[in-house]
Amino acid sequence: EAQVTQNPRYLITVTGKKLTVTCSQNMNHEYMSWYRQDPGLGLRQIYYSMNVEVTDKGDVPEGYKVSRKEKRNFPLILESPSPNQTSLYFCASSPKNTGELFFGEGSRLTVL
Amino acid sequence: GQSLEQPSEVTAVEGAIVQINCTYQTSGFYGLSWYQQHDGGAPTFLSYNALDGLEETGRFSSFLSRSDSYGYLLLQELQMKDSASYFCAGRKGGKLIFGQGTELSVKP
Repeated sequence: EAQVTQNPRYLITVTGKKLTVTCSQNMNHEYMSWYRQDPGLGLRQIYYSMNVEVTDKGDVPEGYKVSRKEKRNFPLILESPSPNQTSLYFCASSPKNTGELFFGEGSRLTVL
Repeated sequence: GQSLEQPSEVTAVEGAIVQINCTYQTSGFYGLSWYQQHDGGAPTFLSYNALDGLEETGRFSSFLSRSDSYGYLLLQELQMKDSASYFCAGRKGGKLIFGQGTELSVKP
């Protein structure tokens, strides 16, 4: 089944404790991206990757890192999480140059 | 800056037709996409307009006019299950900008 898989789906952590949210897709898509969704603010892009070893900042990259060592994986790293990073996070992928994004199920993160 | 504007809420009755508008303040978007999101769920793709004009997919249609920086999503024969949030999104290179979403409530 074609899908984008994120883990963990739910996480409660404390300020400053490094964490990684994994994202994997099995559709051989070139493009992958991360978003956070907060009430009243819609979906905001954190980082994106056009292909392996190519990453770039979206609208809200502060406090996040990403890597794209393999085509299928695009982990989101929070080196020192803070409470303002409490949010619902989505990973998505798409074939190159199309308008159709395939989203993962989301990861709800709470930073205390 | 770059932004996409949508109405925050729309209400309609079952069986009706509703149009959700999206206007944008930037140039150079490659096209406009539309997504549906039910409470707490993942956004799912509905439609994409790469060029001006109307795209039809079943009960859903989407329209784009790049000269007017305007698009809309048209939902026909509304069903209760269409109650959800709808987002337009513009892509510029790898950057994707979403509107803040329109919450559609379908009443019996």
